[in-house]
Amino acid sequence: EAQVTQNPRYLITVTGKKLTVTCSQNMNHEYMSWYRQDPGLGLRQIYYSMNVEVTDKGDVPEGYKVSRKEKRNFPLILESPSPNQTSLYFCASSFRSQLAGGYNEQFFGPGTRLTVL
Amino acid sequence: AQSVTQLGSHVSVSEGALVLLRCNYSSSVPPYLFWYVQYPNQGLQLLLKYTTGATLVKGINGFEAEFKKSETSFHLTKPSAHMSDAAEYFCAVSDGLTGGGNKLTFGTGTQLKVEL
Repeated sequence: EAQVTQNPRYLITVTGKKLTVTCSQNMNHEYMSWYRQDPGLGLRQIYYSMNVEVTDKGDVPEGYKVSRKEKRNFPLILESPSPNQTSLYFCASSFRSQLAGGYNEQFFGPGTRLTVL
Repeated sequence: AQSVTQLGSHVSVSEGALVLLRCNYSSSVPPYLFWYVQYPNQGLQLLLKYTTGATLVKGINGFEAEFKKSETSFHLTKPSAHMSDAAEYFCAVSDGLTGGGNKLTFGTGTQLKVEL
């Protein structure tokens, strides 16, 4: 089954304790992205990756790191989590557009609910 | 820069009544427009999309939306609401350019409540 998986689904941690949220897709997609969802703010992009070893900042990258060493995986790293990073996180993937003005449907993972105390 | 405005963070309708969720966008180029639905404790599911061609787009579960360029709108409708439609709905836009053509900019969401 084609899917995007995230782990863990739920995580409660304390301020300053490094954590990693994993994301994996089995569709051979080049493009992967992380979003955070907060009440009243919708989803905002944190980081994205156009392909292996190619990553770039989204709209709210502060306090996050990512890496893309393999095509299928795109982990989100919080080196020193703070309470304002308490949120619902979504990973998404798609084929990369080959032409400017192109479109490829994004597939979303089930989400990771993170609480930082 | 793109942006999406969803009017009404909460909408309540009676079962069987018309559902209308409003979405206005801004984009410097012809946009791609999307509606996603999020059921409680689940991820986002694509309801429908507008890329090119016919401006009236039909999606899953009886939903449809019409792209109106002159009004910069992409409102979501369903003729008759069902209890199972209760969820949060997000409108999103992509310009096909930013982020290699894949970046989605989301609205703040509309929580739909369906009452008996």
